[in-house]
Amino acid sequence: NAGVMQNPRHLVRRRGQEARLRCSPMKGHSHVYWYRQLPEEGLKFMVYLQKENIIDESGMPKERFSAEFPKEGPSILRIQQVVRGDSAAYFCASSPLGGSWDEQFFGPGTRLTVL
Amino acid sequence: TQLLEQSPQFLSIQEGENLTVYCNSSSVFSSLQWYRQEPGEGPVLLVTVVTGGEVKKLKRLTFQFGDARKDSSLHITAAQPGDTGLYLCAGGRGGGFKTIFGAGTRLFVKA
Repeated sequence: NAGVMQNPRHLVRRRGQEARLRCSPMKGHSHVYWYRQLPEEGLKFMVYLQKENIIDESGMPKERFSAEFPKEGPSILRIQQVVRGDSAAYFCASSPLGGSWDEQFFGPGTRLTVL
Repeated sequence: TQLLEQSPQFLSIQEGENLTVYCNSSSVFSSLQWYRQEPGEGPVLLVTVVTGGEVKKLKRLTFQFGDARKDSSLHITAAQPGDTGLYLCAGGRGGGFKTIFGAGTRLFVKA
């Protein structure tokens, strides 16, 4: 049973470009969470999605950031017009049942560098 | 403002020593998890505690949830170099979906 997959593992973008980060949850999991981690810091919640629905996006910046989890295919975190401050590791997690009490399984992360 | 404060932020010890790291909050959490994260990887869940006063053991690791469900501790006995990593606590609030993470304790165990 494959774990949570994220790609790319490393992504370099110039200021103003778009970044697309993909996450395939574990088989059988229909709940996906995205987190951002800055160096020497913990993970900051961004968004929680179920298939075709955004449940909680309270941690996501209002502008330039969007997330989706379509019926088919991976979840996508999209950052438009990237700025240097977007450089971070972005982690995706999935769970079978949802809710903050449910065990979340993390992917290896995508490290975004904005030049 | 960090809802979950972890201490110490950094700990460097010799192999064989014991250590305790702490996770404190002024808020009540319905559950609390401890994760270990290695460089370049995602966090891996070690344990979830849900009942005030609960103690869980995982080999040389002992986890305790405070009676009031506002704090937790992780005690490692006879630390080994393989224990090196970033230890994160994370809490869930009842009825919500957001998991809140502490900033972590970075542990380095020297051989």
